[in-house]
Amino acid sequence: DGGITQSPKYLFRKEGQNVTLSCEQNLNHDAMYWYRQDPGQGLRLIYYSQIVNDFQKGDIAEGYSVSREKKESFPLTVTSAQKNPTAFYLCASSMEGSNQPQHFGDGTRLSIL
Amino acid sequence: KNQVEQSPQSLIILEGKNCTLQCNYTVSPFSNLRWYKQDTGRGPVSLTIMTFSENTKSNGRYTATLDADTKQSSLHITASQLSDSASYICVVSATMNTGFQKLVFGTGTRLLVSP
Repeated sequence: DGGITQSPKYLFRKEGQNVTLSCEQNLNHDAMYWYRQDPGQGLRLIYYSQIVNDFQKGDIAEGYSVSREKKESFPLTVTSAQKNPTAFYLCASSMEGSNQPQHFGDGTRLSIL
Repeated sequence: KNQVEQSPQSLIILEGKNCTLQCNYTVSPFSNLRWYKQDTGRGPVSLTIMTFSENTKSNGRYTATLDADTKQSSLHITASQLSDSASYICVVSATMNTGFQKLVFGTGTRLLVSP
């Protein structure tokens, strides 16, 4: 089955700790994205990557880091510098082209201990 | 400022009834408009994508309309089912100088279909 897999589904972070969220896709999509979803707000773009070994900051990149060493994988690290990390994190991918839909994973819910 | 506003914020309808959700946007330069369905605790799923030249697009019982002049879109759900209970998100895509398609998300309309 083709799709995007995010893991874990739930994650807890302690003070001063970095945590990494996994995102893997087998859709052969070039572009991948990370969004943050907070209650009452629209999704906000954290980072995106249009090709392997390249990525760009989105609107709210502070306190986050990413890597894109493989086409299938786009992990997101939430660092201790992110002071309000509690949110629902969504990974997406898409084919090249302006009218291509973004396909989303089922998210990781990150909470603070 | 690029914005997407949706109304109503939430809606309750009886199973079998129709409903229409609204979306107004101020996004430039406009590339396309998308509707997504998001079940609780899941990722959004694409329903429709419409470009500037398209007025209407259907996907089963879902029909989206676009008026690019007034910058308004609607999503009409026909003969609602319990499984239609979800949040419906309007998303407008803008083409940046770099060619990147920047998506601007609305906050969604939460629909509850009651038996």
